[in-house]
Amino acid sequence: EVQLVESGGDLVKPGGSLRLSCAASQFTFSNAWMTWVRQAPGKGLEWVGRIKTNPDGGTTDYAAPVKGRFTISRDDSKNTLYLQMNSLKTEDTAVYYCTTVVGFGEVDYWGQGTLVTVSS
Amino acid sequence: DIQMTQSPSSLSASVGDRVTITCRASQSITSYLNWYQQKPGKAPKLLIYAASSLQSGVPSRFSGSGSGTDFTLTISSLQPEDFATYYCQNSYSIPITFGQGTRLEIK
Repeated sequence: EVQLVESGGDLVKPGGSLRLSCAASQFTFSNAWMTWVRQAPGKGLEWVGRIKTNPDGGTTDYAAPVKGRFTISRDDSKNTLYLQMNSLKTEDTAVYYCTTVVGFGEVDYWGQGTLVTVSS
Repeated sequence: DIQMTQSPSSLSASVGDRVTITCRASQSITSYLNWYQQKPGKAPKLLIYAASSLQSGVPSRFSGSGSGTDFTLTISSLQPEDFATYYCQNSYSIPITFGQGTRLEIK
C-alpha cells in the first residue's frame, strides 16, 4: 500500500526556518506529481504548492501566501519530497500533509501530517 | 484565483437521511472538481473525482454531479461513519483551491 510519511514538524519562532520531509514508498515516486496541503488548527484545507515529475520539467507552483518563502523539492533517488520553509509567520502554524496528485488533479494519497507551530 | 463556496457550512441529519452538499466555483472549472471526507484527527480521504467519478473503495451511496460552476455531493442514505467534514476542491487551475468545508453532524 502507498505510504507517505512526513517528518520535521516542530515549534519554531517567527522568522525562523524549517524543512519538512516526506518519505514515499510502495509506488514509483519518480512518476508522481506531489503536493503539500496544510490545515491550520480548527480550519479548512489550504493548498501550499506542487512539484511535477522531472520528466515533466520538475517545475513548482505555490500558493500566494507562501510564494518566495517556501520551496518544494524532490529527491527521486531517495523517494523523498521536501518543503523548505523560511521567514515563517504565526499564520503558517498548521498540520502539513504530503500528497500525491493524479489524473484530474485529485489527491489520491495523503500522509498522516506533521505539525508546524510558529510561535514566540 | 477561483473561489470555491460550499453550502451549507454545517448540517444536522439522521442515519438513513439523504443529504446533499453544494459547491459553487467563481468561474467555470468544467469537471475539475473533487470531493473529500475528513474525520477529526485524520487526513482527508478522496471520495469523488472529476465531478462524478467514484473513487475505488468508496461506497456507492456517495455520488457527485455537476459541471461548470455548480456541483453537488449526495449521500443517498447516511450511515454512522459518514458524520464528518466534507470539502470540495478545484483542480482546474493553479492555485488549487478548496471550499471552506461542510460539517455533517448527527441530529
